[in-house]
Amino acid sequence: AQKITQTQPGMFVQEKEAVTLDCTYDTSDPSYGLFWYKQPSSGEMIFLIYQGSYDQQNATEGRYSLNFQKARKSANLVISASQLGDSAMYFCAMRDYQDSNYQLIWGAGTKLIIKP
Amino acid sequence: DTGVSQDPRHKITKRGQNVTFRCDPISEHNRLYWYRQTLGQGPEFLTYFQNEAQLEKSRLLSDRFSAERPKGSFSTLEIQRTEQGDSAMYLCASSPLGEREQYFGPGTRLTVT
Repeated sequence: AQKITQTQPGMFVQEKEAVTLDCTYDTSDPSYGLFWYKQPSSGEMIFLIYQGSYDQQNATEGRYSLNFQKARKSANLVISASQLGDSAMYFCAMRDYQDSNYQLIWGAGTKLIIKP
Repeated sequence: DTGVSQDPRHKITKRGQNVTFRCDPISEHNRLYWYRQTLGQGPEFLTYFQNEAQLEKSRLLSDRFSAERPKGSFSTLEIQRTEQGDSAMYLCASSPLGEREQYFGPGTRLTVT
């Protein structure tokens, strides 16, 4: 069965420093996608970045990059030059493309707090 | 530019009452998803629609839960005979066919007393 593990319940990071949020996944299917979402205290899930299992290069979106290590089944999110507005819950999620419904399997999340 | 909207944003109800939530997806998004998120956890998939057809239901969706998307546009999620364990954030998301990202609404927070 598919599973997402986020081992860091919470992190404190100094403003302007880079931060890495860990995510490991488990699936037996060769075709899958990995997502990171941000959830501020307002509750809305905000899409950050996506990595496909067949993508050759690590995904990047502005200050966000994904450190994809397929053999280790890890998909860590790296946020460069952190800002106070980055304080939020961060969720790693996976979609198995062999399922027809495209549901997302989610990790438990990491609460990131940026200190001024 | 209108995103996914959900109504109400907050609902407090007494145990045993029925509640109904509404989700309006982004216009022309064919796919619509419902998730439930309890405090300190990631979302859990509840059900999925493609247009008006409900194609998948999670085992989490007991007989007390029902969802509809009658015209392939907005969707409703009804919980009958609510229990305290139903207290959670109910998230709706939509996506167009062929696109991998799901766009989420702000959620409806349900508190059952």
